[in-house]
Amino acid sequence: NAGVTQTPKFQVLKTGQSMTLQCAQDMNHEYMSWYRQDPGMGLRLIHYSVGAGITDQGEVPNGYNVSRSTTEDFPLRLLSAAPSQTSVYFCASTPAEGKIAFGSGTRLTVV
Amino acid sequence: GENVEQHPSTLSVQEGDSAVIKCTYSDSASNYFPWYKQELGKRPQLIIDIRSNVGEKKDQRIAVTLNKTAKHFSLHITETQPEDSAVYFCAATSGGSARQLTFGSGTQLTVLP
Repeated sequence: NAGVTQTPKFQVLKTGQSMTLQCAQDMNHEYMSWYRQDPGMGLRLIHYSVGAGITDQGEVPNGYNVSRSTTEDFPLRLLSAAPSQTSVYFCASTPAEGKIAFGSGTRLTVV
Repeated sequence: GENVEQHPSTLSVQEGDSAVIKCTYSDSASNYFPWYKQELGKRPQLIIDIRSNVGEKKDQRIAVTLNKTAKHFSLHITETQPEDSAVYFCAATSGGSARQLTFGSGTQLTVLP
């Protein structure tokens, strides 16, 4: 049982490049989400999914896309990276009782 | 939507003293209030949580209290140790979902030896 697996751990992008942050969980949780963490601002919800085929926007969705084709995988796509997207990104998986399990994080720098 | 405010943003205590971190929330429908500890470069880890039908919960040196009427909840750490130094985040459920959380902005706790 690996929990929540998130890749890559570090990434540097140039403005305008695209990339996908991968997230997978093996706990059969229906609910998955993506957060970004910026200094002094806590964790802010980007997108979430309540099950395969269902996604919705969180607090800060602009510039990001998600899809949920399987229960296990929930990738986050940056279509055209901007310096404002420099942040630490956490994928999370949540069982019915609400105890979030976070992935190890991706530190993204956009130059 | 839900708004969670957390105070203080930084807190320094002497080893062995107690630390208290306070959060307020805006959504009266919120019913689940977890606390996370994040060490430098690591992922947030759940340390304690409380549901709205309970006023207080303890786990060894940490405790959480909840006042639903006033819409605030607090984390109490007693007999602090240097390994308690970390950033602590409170959170509350939002959007009518039991699994969608809004986080506070965090408290950097430093325990001085």
